[in-house]
Amino acid sequence: ETGVTQSPTHLIKTRGQQVTLRCSSQSGHNTVSWYQQALGQGPQFIFQYYREEENGRGNFPPRFSGLQFPNYSSELNVNALELDDSALYLCASSSPATYSGANVLTFGAGSRLTVL
Amino acid sequence: AQSVTQLDSQVPVFEEAPVELRCNYSSSVSVYLFWYVQYPNQGLQLLLKYLSGSTLVKGINGFEAEFNKSQTSFHLRKPSVHISDTAEYFCAVSDPNNNDMRFGAGTRLTVKP
Repeated sequence: ETGVTQSPTHLIKTRGQQVTLRCSSQSGHNTVSWYQQALGQGPQFIFQYYREEENGRGNFPPRFSGLQFPNYSSELNVNALELDDSALYLCASSSPATYSGANVLTFGAGSRLTVL
Repeated sequence: AQSVTQLDSQVPVFEEAPVELRCNYSSSVSVYLFWYVQYPNQGLQLLLKYLSGSTLVKGINGFEAEFNKSQTSFHLRKPSVHISDTAEYFCAVSDPNNNDMRFGAGTRLTVKP
């Protein structure tokens, strides 16, 4: 089975720009979660998508938004980039249909965003 | 909301020595507990999880962890480490009633020859 794949692996943006990160979930998984991992810190929950709708959100401003597509792949969009948005962005997929907290997250290798 | 504290940011040990990485959590409800490992330039990989039942949980690569409800701890142990165990280790807690898994800040394990 294929794992979670993310693209791009690295990218550099400037303040005020917008960025889109992409994630393909593991085969058989229908739920996607996004995390931000700043340097030297643990991952912080951004939001989760299930059945193409947001299904939980962490403490992130509205300029962080997402999408989930019918094939369960997902996008993370960040508008009006700030220097503090520089981080590794991790996508994780899981199953079954409803997240109960007990399901294991399968992580991708991440997209490293640098904002200058 | 639940939270996790990893008490040591860095743990250096020599090869074949035992190691313990400490994790404490806080929550007002029953929780699920996890340990993940992150190798350089990679995503997180599950080592083990505690959902219910036996408080001693065995995972991959010879790691195990013990859930202690009275001390709200979930420390990770390995009796003999290898150079290849050098990585960042994250303790995580999730609440069965929401979709938010909280991670600790991580412990950098460095195994020296």
